[in-house]
This record gives sequence, structure tokens and C-alpha cells, in this order.
Amino acid sequence: GENVEQHPSTLSVQEGDSAVIKCTYSDSASNYFPWYKQELGKRPQLIIDIRSNVGEKKDQRIAVTLNKTAKHFSLHITETQPEDSAVYFCAANSGGSNYKLTFGKGTLLTVNP
Amino acid sequence: EPEVTQTPSHQVTQMGQEVILRCVPISNHLYFYWYRQILGQKVEFLVSFYNNEISEKSEIFDDQFSVERPDGSNFTLKIRSTKLEDSAMYFCASQGLPETQYFGPGTRLLVL
Repeated sequence: GENVEQHPSTLSVQEGDSAVIKCTYSDSASNYFPWYKQELGKRPQLIIDIRSNVGEKKDQRIAVTLNKTAKHFSLHITETQPEDSAVYFCAANSGGSNYKLTFGKGTLLTVNP
Repeated sequence: EPEVTQTPSHQVTQMGQEVILRCVPISNHLYFYWYRQILGQKVEFLVSFYNNEISEKSEIFDDQFSVERPDGSNFTLKIRSTKLEDSAMYFCASQGLPETQYFGPGTRLLVL
């Protein structure tokens, strides 16, 4: 089955800096890669996703890149703000008609004012 | 904007007891999921449900677990005889097309 690795497990940045979180996946049939933000005690909230037919997607300060050949994808947050502090999870589906998501272990991002 | 809802938000139960966790997916969605998250760990897939039947289940989803969609609205997860290791946050998710999954707020289950 799918295996998703995520790095780093913790990331601390100064407000205004950029943050990058990286994930790798194992199943070459995976074709959908969402990123979720989870604040303490809350539900995972989708912040951006990318499908395998594109290499990059951007939404304001957040961007995701996908390298299908290398089977890795990354989340980029620019101009970080304290409210960006949360745990970020990457995920990958299983390809085909099964949409179950396999999650990475998460990255605790702390943005220091 | 429609949201997935879950009840109860918290459930405390004794080991060996049955619990039923309830979810109301987004109304026009077709795919439904249960995930769990043990405190401080990643979100883990339990089961997917489509067209009134299970489409896939993980090794966690053993004979003690069952799901159903009894009335076309609610989507429930039943644990027949809870174990200590079932303590976790349980998230329901629903998905329309394309394949974006929206998560409910979760039910925190504590088994004593």
C-alpha cells in the first residue's frame, strides 16, 4: 500500500520567513495530494491540493509543487504569520477508483513573532 | 458553506462497552470515510463507504468495527466491545467530486 513520509517533524521560523515541508510517497498510481492544517484539538482543514496532471499550484501565500518522477511533493508558505502555527499533514490517495488518503506524520510549524 | 458534523464531541466509556459515533456528511457527497488519530500521531484510515457498502477497510478495522448509513443521512461507526487502545479522535470525512475530502470536527473517545 501507499506510504507517505514527511519532513521535518518540527519547524520553527521567524514571522515573515518562508517555510517548506516535504513529503515523499511510494505508490506511483497516486494522483491526488492534499495538504491539511490542523490546529490543536480541531479538525484537519484542507489548505491546498494538487493533482498529478500539474506540477505546481499556488494560492496566495501557499504553494505546492509535485515531482511525479521523484514521487515527492512540497508545501511552501511565504511571509509566514503567527496564525500559520499549526500541524501540517500531507496526504496521498491510493490511485485508481479508491480515494482513501494516506497521511504523513505531520509537521509542527511554529511561527515566532 | 456546508460542513460535516459529528456527535458526540466527546465520549467516555468503559472497556468492553459498545459505542456508536455519528456523522452527518455534506448532503450531496457520495463517498464517506472514517479516520482515527491517536493523540499526537498521524491521521489513519479506517474505512471507506460508497453506494451503501464498504469499499475498503484497513487492518485496524477488525470485526469489532462496523459502519452503516441507516437513513441516507447519518453515517455511523460502531465499536462493539471497546478496548483501551481504541482511545483516539475519530474523524468522519465526506467527499464529492472531485476528490476533496472534508473532515468533521471529530469525536474524542476515551476508553477506561
